[in-house]
Amino acid sequence: GQSLEQPSEVTAVEGAIVQINCTYQTSGFYGLSWYQQHDGGAPTFLSYNALDGLEETGRFSSFLSRSDSYGYLLLQELQMKDSASYFCAVRDLEQAGTALIFGKGTTLSVSS
Amino acid sequence: SQTIHQWPATLVQPVGSPLSLECTVEGTSNPNLYWYRQAAGRGLQLLFYSVGIGQISSEVPQNLSASRPQDRQFILSSKKLLLSDSGFYLCAWSKTGRVNSPLHFGNGTRLTVT
Repeated sequence: GQSLEQPSEVTAVEGAIVQINCTYQTSGFYGLSWYQQHDGGAPTFLSYNALDGLEETGRFSSFLSRSDSYGYLLLQELQMKDSASYFCAVRDLEQAGTALIFGKGTTLSVSS
Repeated sequence: SQTIHQWPATLVQPVGSPLSLECTVEGTSNPNLYWYRQAAGRGLQLLFYSVGIGQISSEVPQNLSASRPQDRQFILSSKKLLLSDSGFYLCAWSKTGRVNSPLHFGNGTRLTVT
């Protein structure tokens, strides 16, 4: 089966930088994704890493190390609107086809 | 552009009653379709996924079932709801033929079983 571990909560202040880590175990790994979910809303796609290294999209960056089964989401210049839950997710083609298996999520609280 | 519709937005049902949640996708053909459930303050649990009409894969044994009667329609059902079925149900789609295609979620149905 699959398992993903990420911290349950992170707090930070506006303008700061936050890193949310994710470690995973899966038999048929095919990329690490990150999703954002505001309270009461639907998850939305943030980033995807299939290969090792850093992917940057504006204030958000995502990193993957396949040899360590580890990735992280880096949020820079934090804003109040970044307060949300962040989920890492993996695809395991052998176990669940194209479906994503999600971690339990990290709740980020940004204060002024 | 593609859109996904999910209804109803909220639902309160008594224990033992049936359930039918519907999800439709517009603007794309032969999408992969998914049902997830999210308990309060928890992660997303994969319930079912489908790669085509009539093709349903179940991830968690339970009293829920799914059907895909049309290419862009995905239905989640139950004959008798349990208290433990309460949660936030999310339908999602992704492009077929692209393994790295992101999931696009509907706005969800918040189900309370009383």
